[in-house]
Amino acid sequence: EPEVTQTPSHQVTQMGQEVILRCVPISNHLYFYWYRQILGQKVEFLVSFYNNEISEKSEIFDDQFSVERPDGSNFTLKIRSTKLEDSAMYFCASSDYFPDTQYFGPGTRLTVL
Amino acid sequence: DAKTTQPNSMESNEEEPVHLPCNHSTISGTDYIHWYRQLPSQGPEYVIHGLTSNVNNRMASLAIAEDRKSSTLILHRATLRDAAVYYCILRAGYGQNFVFGPGTRLSVLP
Repeated sequence: EPEVTQTPSHQVTQMGQEVILRCVPISNHLYFYWYRQILGQKVEFLVSFYNNEISEKSEIFDDQFSVERPDGSNFTLKIRSTKLEDSAMYFCASSDYFPDTQYFGPGTRLTVL
Repeated sequence: DAKTTQPNSMESNEEEPVHLPCNHSTISGTDYIHWYRQLPSQGPEYVIHGLTSNVNNRMASLAIAEDRKSSTLILHRATLRDAAVYYCILRAGYGQNFVFGPGTRLSVLP
C-alpha cells in the first residue's frame, strides 16, 4: 500500500539554525500539507500546497517557514531560523482530488536546543 | 470548518464493541464527516468518512444520524492496538486542511 514517507525521523538543531524537513507524498496525489504537533497538544495545520503554490496557510506559518516541491516526488518544509518553540512533531500529508482522504507520514521530531 | 464535540476519553474492554460519539450540530449540507485516529508516537491515520449514509470498511463503521447533527464511529471488536486518540472532523471541500480538535482518547483494557 502506498504511503507517505518523511526524513529524517528525528532532527536536532541549535536555535537560529535552518532546517529542512523532507517528505515524499504518495505519487499520484495532488494536494500536500504540513501539520505540526507540539508534545501533548493537538495537531495544528501549517500549510497546504497545490499546483506548485501555497493554497492555504495558518497564522503559525510565518515568514520563517517556506515550502517547496523541488522535483516530482519531494515536498519540503524549511524553517529558516529555528526557535525553541519550533520543537514539535512535523507531519506531512497528501491527498488526491477524490476521495480527498489525507494520508499522513510518520512525522519528523524536531528538537531545537 | 464546522465545530465538533467529542468526549475527552473513553474506555473499552478488549474484544468488545466501542461506540465513539461526535456531535456536529452546525454541520452544513456539503460537510463530509471524517474520522482519523492517532496511535501513540505516530501520525494521524484515516479511519473512515461519510456524508449521509452509514459507511462500513475493514476498520470500522460510521453511523450518521438522520439530521446529520451527530455521528458514531463503531469499532466492532476493540483490540489493544485500537488504543489511540480518535478525531471527528468536518470538511467541506477538496484540498482543505483538517482542523483537529482534542479528540477522544480511547483506552482498551485487556
